[in-house]
Parts: sequence; structure tokens; C-alpha cells
Amino acid sequence: SFVLTQPPSMSVAPGQTATITCGGNNIGSKSVHWYQQRPDQAPRLVVFDDVDRPSGIPERFSGSNSDNTATLTISRVEAVDEADYYCQVWDSSDDHSVFGGGTKLTVL
Amino acid sequence: EVLLVESGGGLVKPGGSVRLSCAASGFTFSSYHMNWVRQAPGKGLEWVSSLSSNTGFIYHADSLKARITISRDNAKNSLYLKVSDLRAEDTAVYYCARSWAATDAFDVWGQGTVVTVSS
Repeated sequence: SFVLTQPPSMSVAPGQTATITCGGNNIGSKSVHWYQQRPDQAPRLVVFDDVDRPSGIPERFSGSNSDNTATLTISRVEAVDEADYYCQVWDSSDDHSVFGGGTKLTVL
Repeated sequence: EVLLVESGGGLVKPGGSVRLSCAASGFTFSSYHMNWVRQAPGKGLEWVSSLSSNTGFIYHADSLKARITISRDNAKNSLYLKVSDLRAEDTAVYYCARSWAATDAFDVWGQGTVVTVSS
């Protein structure tokens, strides 16, 4: 089955840029979706289809995907961005959805 | 307002079963693919199962497929998940989520229902 690898944690100072990676074999050939989960809340979609943002998501959130790594970039990080972030793909080889292990973003 | 509201969780003994429900409102439920995702305490998200809008396509996580049944009633705008032969490792928050197709992002999530498996 397809495996998505994320760093367990990262920290960034307010106003700086957070770059969260999601690694997978030839992930660039798949559509990657990203979710934010704040403590004690349900996940929320922040980027879909590699680069698109749902309505209501700030432009500070952006995505990219190429070769073996997809990336979620959060510019001008704010305290409210402190959350767990998960990447997700659909693995068509076995018709399964797959989530990465998640990255805990701490805003210093 | 687009809403998904899960129910049916609670304390269940090992070996028992639970039927979870997800009530949808604010959108044309019958047009959407629906999904279940769970999250064990302190752990990440785990995809459980997906069901197409007309129930023609069903997908299950390999680790669970022998013990789960996903279904929907489009007339009642409701999604269901039955999990049988419950084990301690099934303890989790169970979320339902909407997507346009199996390959698409889960754009709307419920608040989750907690299932605790313990004697």
C-alpha cells in the first residue's frame, strides 16, 4: 500500500514561513490534499488537488507537488496556525485513501 | 449551512458491535461520495471506508474490511458504519466526511463520535 511520510513535528516563529513536507513514491503523479486539525477539533481542508484552496482559507496557505514530495507552505505564520497537518492521497492501485502520519506545527 | 452530525458512539464491550450514523444537511446528500475516518487517542487520521453516491462503489481499509459495513440511505440523508467484533484498538473518534468522488478531498467533516471499547 502507498505510504506517505511526514515529519512528526516542526516549530516556527510568528511571521516566518512553515514548510511541511509529505513524501511518497512518485507522489507528484497523484493529487494531494492537506488538512489542518486544531486541538479538540475536526480536521479542516486547507489545500486540495495539490495547489487549490477552499473558500475561506487564507492565501497564506499554499501547496506544491513534484516528484516524490508534496509541500504545504504557510506564510506569515500566526498563532492560530498551531495545529496538526495531514496530507492525503487516493491510491488507485488498490482503491484506498491514505493519510500521512501528521505533522504537529508549533508556533513559538 | 452544510452540516454532518455523527452519532451512535459510546462504551462498548470487546467483541460487541456498534452502528454509527451520520446525518447530513444543507446539501444534496445523494450527489456526494461519503467517507468514514477514525482517529485513535493521540494518534493520526486513519481512513476507514468510502461509499459512492449511488452505493455502487464501496472501499474499505484492509485492516478493517472483514469487520465493517458501510451503507447509506439517501432518502434519509444519512450515512452509516457498522463495526463488529470490536477490539480495544478500535477505540477512536469516528468522523464522517464528504467528497465529490473517491479520489477527491474531504471538504466537509462532522464533529465526530467517540467509540470506546472496554470491558
